[in-house]
Amino acid sequence: QSVLTQPPSASGTPGQRVTISCSGSSSNIGSNYVYWYQQLPGTAPKLLIYRNNQRPSGVPDRFSGSKSGTSASLAISGLRSEDEADYYCAVWDDSLKVFGPGTKVTVL
Amino acid sequence: EVQLLESGGGLVQPGGSLRLSCAASGFTFSNNAMSWVRQTPGKGLEWVSSISGGGGTTFYADSVKGRFTISRDNSKNTLYLQMNSLRAEDTAVYYCAKSPSFTPLDAFDIWGQGTMVTVSS
Repeated sequence: QSVLTQPPSASGTPGQRVTISCSGSSSNIGSNYVYWYQQLPGTAPKLLIYRNNQRPSGVPDRFSGSKSGTSASLAISGLRSEDEADYYCAVWDDSLKVFGPGTKVTVL
Repeated sequence: EVQLLESGGGLVQPGGSLRLSCAASGFTFSNNAMSWVRQTPGKGLEWVSSISGGGGTTFYADSVKGRFTISRDNSKNTLYLQMNSLRAEDTAVYYCAKSPSFTPLDAFDIWGQGTMVTVSS
């Protein structure tokens, strides 16, 4: 049982915008950076967003992150078939790294 | 190219021990914190442990504290996870991950391919 809450699934058609929420508390999201990881089927996770809204080099600008209070969001605009994956939010909470339960994104 | 290569996984009986290794290349290993993250097949990610670049600071998940020990040999560019008193619930793919900074309290920007640990009699 994670201290972070994510919807188990999200879906959209190609080209649509999909948003994934991540809800926490004042001790984790409320006072620390949020990270987002993408895990394509059968592969290791990959860093998608760091420090709430920063993209590592190589990550398309279709992916964007935001944070407000004790919640964060990952938005995927211009959804593509290769975006079908599991997405995890994560945050440091009192020197413990916590991952959300993950959201499976399906491209219809 | 930055690479992380885990090894040491396998089948072990409950109560047994196993040591995982993660060989790093393509970056100055001692400059970066490292971590272990595990994933039960079909389930989500669970952070296990992290260590600072110099090895002087370590953090553990409550689920493994007192049983697992993270360490590193910067002369060999290798990260370790000593796992003792293993339980069935420790069965998972174990990933090593690099942080972009010396402190562990940061992103995991590079991940290895994972090594499978199965705890079963």
